[in-house]
Amino acid sequence: DTVLIQSPALAVSPGERVSISCRASEGVNSYMHWYQQKPGQQPKLLIYKASNLASGVPARFSGSGSGTDFTLTIDPVEADDTATYFCQQSWNDPRTFGGGTKLELK
Amino acid sequence: QVQLKESGPGLVQPSQTLSLTCTVSGFSLTSYNVHWIRQPPGKGLEWMGRMRYNGDTSYNSPLKSRLSISRDTSKNQVFLKMNSLQTDDTGTYYCTRDVSGSGWFVYWGQGTLVTVSS
Repeated sequence: DTVLIQSPALAVSPGERVSISCRASEGVNSYMHWYQQKPGQQPKLLIYKASNLASGVPARFSGSGSGTDFTLTIDPVEADDTATYFCQQSWNDPRTFGGGTKLELK
Repeated sequence: QVQLKESGPGLVQPSQTLSLTCTVSGFSLTSYNVHWIRQPPGKGLEWMGRMRYNGDTSYNSPLKSRLSISRDTSKNQVFLKMNSLQTDDTGTYYCTRDVSGSGWFVYWGQGTLVTVSS
């Protein structure tokens, strides 16, 4: 299975820029997607196919990368962005998720 | 609008079988794939399997021997059955829909918490 590695946690101040990384154990082309999950809620799609903004998602969120290295960027970070962010690939079966990066605001 | 809602027992005894139902609205099960994804408390997400629009199913290998996904298109429902439950099967179970087999999940149910305990 394709393993996706994310840093466990990050802490940033409101107004700053933050980059969350996801590294795949094998190439996934551009089929990497990003989700935001707040406590007690279902995940919400933010970015699909590496760099495409999902409907209704603020332009503060952006994605980049291809192959094995991908990044979700939030600029500027707002207080409401406190959440866990997951990457997910759909190039290889089975679909797999990263372990999540918990974003905290200082 | 597209909606998915999971239902089922909140508590299951070890070694028993879990039965969950995903009731959908706003789209046809014969046009879109529905997936099951689970999340242990405080942990990451695991793709379990899918019911394709044409009735075919596929499962994640570690679960394949215990898992079955079926559907009733007349009732707009997709079913998950998993046997031989253990405590590490405790978690929130979601049904989701992708976008025409695209691989990413736009629509999610609210999730249902399943606790495996005696």
